[in-house]
Amino acid sequence: GNSVTQMEGPVTLSEEAFLTINCTYTATGYPSLFWYVQYPGEGLQLLLKATKADDKGSNKGFEATYRKETTSFHLEKGSVQVSDSAVYFCALSASGTYKYIFGTGTRLKVLA
Amino acid sequence: DARVTQTPRHKVTEMGQEVTMRCQPILGHNTVFWYRQTMMQGLELLAYFRNRAPLDDSGMPKDRFSAEMPDATLATLKIQPSEPRDSAVYFCASGMTSGRAEVDEQFFGPGTRLTVL
Repeated sequence: GNSVTQMEGPVTLSEEAFLTINCTYTATGYPSLFWYVQYPGEGLQLLLKATKADDKGSNKGFEATYRKETTSFHLEKGSVQVSDSAVYFCALSASGTYKYIFGTGTRLKVLA
Repeated sequence: DARVTQTPRHKVTEMGQEVTMRCQPILGHNTVFWYRQTMMQGLELLAYFRNRAPLDDSGMPKDRFSAEMPDATLATLKIQPSEPRDSAVYFCASGMTSGRAEVDEQFFGPGTRLTVL
């Protein structure tokens, strides 16, 4: 079946450090891939997405590239800020099912 | 700025009581999801609807949970009777399906924080 595996948290970084949060997936066919972010006390919101192999999604300085050969969609940011502290969820949407498969979430804490 | 709204935002109740949570999806969205989030289990999909028809409710405990969409502007999640283990944050999300039979983006509401004593 379809599944998403993302790295365990929490991840603690100093401001301006480089961020990588790993995400790998298992799916039949060609799923769309997403990163969602959840700030404290709020619902999830879309950060970026990619719908086909080799696509790069980007938003607010975050990037992720859809790698079909390694079934990965790792999230990166070159210089994190305190305001990036949140929980990040990797997700996939398999064609024809309408629902998403979410990873377990990775908590990021950025220290000033 | 279109948003998903959920009521109530907070609910404290006693074990055995009925709880009803409401969600107003974004106007025009045809797919609605209910999730539950806890520290231990993370984010769990309880049920979802497309064009008001239930597609999958296998994530819900059938004996006590029920989900409905009486019309396109209202989705409800009911727990009867409630138990302490139901304490969680319940999120509603809505979206539009695409030509690939997928939801392009899910828009989440702010959640209902439920505490069952």
